[in-house]
Amino acid sequence: AQSVTQLDSQVPVFEEAPVELRCNYSSSVSVYLFWYVQYPNQGLQLLLKYLSGSTLVKGINGFEAEFNKSQTSFHLRKPSVHISDTAEYFCAVSDYVGGFKTIFGAGTRLFVKA
Amino acid sequence: GAVVSQHPSRVICKSGTSVKIECRSLDFQATTMFWYRQFPKQSLMLMATSNEGSKATYEQGVEKDKFLINHASLTLSTLTVTSAHPEDSSFYICSGGQVPTEAFFGQGTRLTVV
Repeated sequence: AQSVTQLDSQVPVFEEAPVELRCNYSSSVSVYLFWYVQYPNQGLQLLLKYLSGSTLVKGINGFEAEFNKSQTSFHLRKPSVHISDTAEYFCAVSDYVGGFKTIFGAGTRLFVKA
Repeated sequence: GAVVSQHPSRVICKSGTSVKIECRSLDFQATTMFWYRQFPKQSLMLMATSNEGSKATYEQGVEKDKFLINHASLTLSTLTVTSAHPEDSSFYICSGGQVPTEAFFGQGTRLTVV
């Protein structure tokens, strides 16, 4: 069965510093990987996705992620964060085992300090 | 991206009453919709997968008689929480889109049962 582990529940960082949010997954088949951002009391917005091809994926708002099959990881990075990046970030994995499903990690709260 | 409109955004109901949440795809046809539940500071938990014109598939542990899902058209799926109790208070989110490339999320519904 699929599973997604986000290794950090909270990540505090100063404005303009780089950040990495870690995500590891497990699945028995080929997967599709996503990062979503959620602001308070709102739905989720897609940051980026890996479906196939290049393992380095660039998304919106200056975020990027790298798919590492051998380490089953899909870490999210941004070279310089802004206050407005403060939000909850969810890593998600989708596959077709038992029908199409998307499973979400527990989330990482990114808190950007001035 | 495509738009999924979810209503209401907030609802307060009395214990024992039923509440209906609507999820509409505004500019695409959603043959499949997913319903999630999110407790405070937790991740999204898949409740059920609804397919247009057929019965929903519920995840293990989700009471199908309590959480009624109807997907009567390609643009509308509804979730009805029947005989609601305070423990049903949660944030409910729907999503639809092109499987597996991207899921578009509704804005979410904050349900409070008093």
